[in-house]
Amino acid sequence: QSALTQPPSASGSPGQSVTISCSGTSSDVGGYNYVSWYQQHPGKAPKLMIYEVTKRPSGVPDRFSGSKSGNTASLTVSGLQAEDEADYYCSSYAGSNTFDVVFGGGTKVTVL
Amino acid sequence: QVQLQESGPRLVKPSQTLSLTCTVSGGSISSGTSYWSWIRQPAGKGLEYIGRIYSSGNTNYNPSLKSRVTISTDTSKNQFSLKLRSVTAADTAVYYCARNAGGTYYFDYWGQGTLVTVSS
Repeated sequence: QSALTQPPSASGSPGQSVTISCSGTSSDVGGYNYVSWYQQHPGKAPKLMIYEVTKRPSGVPDRFSGSKSGNTASLTVSGLQAEDEADYYCSSYAGSNTFDVVFGGGTKVTVL
Repeated sequence: QVQLQESGPRLVKPSQTLSLTCTVSGGSISSGTSYWSWIRQPAGKGLEYIGRIYSSGNTNYNPSLKSRVTISTDTSKNQFSLKLRSVTAADTAVYYCARNAGGTYYFDYWGQGTLVTVSS
């Protein structure tokens, strides 16, 4: 069982938006601004899409955005494109005395 | 551009030790404030943080694996390594090495991953 809770699936039509939630506790998501999101295509390594809740690495389209409210973080993909179909994982720092870094169970995004 | 590449045996027998090495190019593992991490992913499942090593040599491990894990560096080869002792079938997974840039808790560069199977 993963430390952070994500819905197993989400979907949207091309051009639409999809939002994925990542629920944690005050000891991880709610306690630190160290939430990150990763995109993983089948057979590939994860790719960093969002870090420190809202920041995008160079090269990541601005269609990807992150936010946080309380113990829940969210990733929104706007203007869905076929290549956005992938698994998405959230991650959070959880304190140096505990698990340190925890992941969500992943969400499969399907572009209809 | 930092690149990471995992290497090591793809098949390990139960109760033995899994050993993997990550070779880093495009950056030195002994300089700066980067952390160097191991993460694994069983087939069809999510990601699990294993642990990391700092440029200083200090380590941090997932408590659920701590008793069986050692991460170390070989700065002369610009490599860091993972040893996981007393493996079982539950340790079968794709193992990734990754970098945490600048003392952060996100992973900005990843290796391609290597599948390690635990089986007799």
